[in-house]
Amino acid sequence: DTEVTQTPKHLVMGMTNKKSLKCEQHMGHRAMYWYKQKAKKPPELMFVYSYEKLSINESVPSRFSPECPNSSLLNLHLHALQPEDSALYLCASSAPEATNEKLFFGSGTQLSVL
Amino acid sequence: RKEVEQDPGPFNVPEGATVAFNCTYSNSASQSFFWYRQDCRKEPKLLMSVYSSGNEDGRFTAQLNRASQYISLLIRDSKLSDSATYLCVGYNKFYFGSGTKLNVKP
Repeated sequence: DTEVTQTPKHLVMGMTNKKSLKCEQHMGHRAMYWYKQKAKKPPELMFVYSYEKLSINESVPSRFSPECPNSSLLNLHLHALQPEDSALYLCASSAPEATNEKLFFGSGTQLSVL
Repeated sequence: RKEVEQDPGPFNVPEGATVAFNCTYSNSASQSFFWYRQDCRKEPKLLMSVYSSGNEDGRFTAQLNRASQYISLLIRDSKLSDSATYLCVGYNKFYFGSGTKLNVKP
């Protein structure tokens, strides 16, 4: 069972809606990640937070806005999305100080933009 | 960003077969690698870490070839339940290869 919890599991939204995806972990990990995955493609990195600070933004459009309120929580705020943004959104965490920095994934949010 | 490259497959093998995938990497400074397994519509899960000495876990063996800059994953006695996509991750630990799809047939 995953120790990274994502909510909601499924989300349908219109292009004018504002919604948020949530991710929580209690493993004491200080690095957290957002990935986007389209069907038959590998996960694509969007953002990395390290010690609650944004360390990597992979040129993601501003309609995606990440937030890390504390070391256990990671949010992804969505606004004015496009149908091509429909995908599985995965959150992950890791212990950045570890020599083998394994990623632990949540089960994802399946997002459909209509 | 193509830190690692994988043959997308699919690899179609009968139950009981031995199958191997490779993942080539471009950064010779890479010290550690990982193999993840992803089932359809599920999240990736860590399968094995790969270090210079290699790694073995039951039917799975992962090895690192520094001279040729690739890592391999060997699966012996394939089971139907091994059907999945296998993803490798290299030096930049956040970036996945394109994945190799394995179908194990009865």
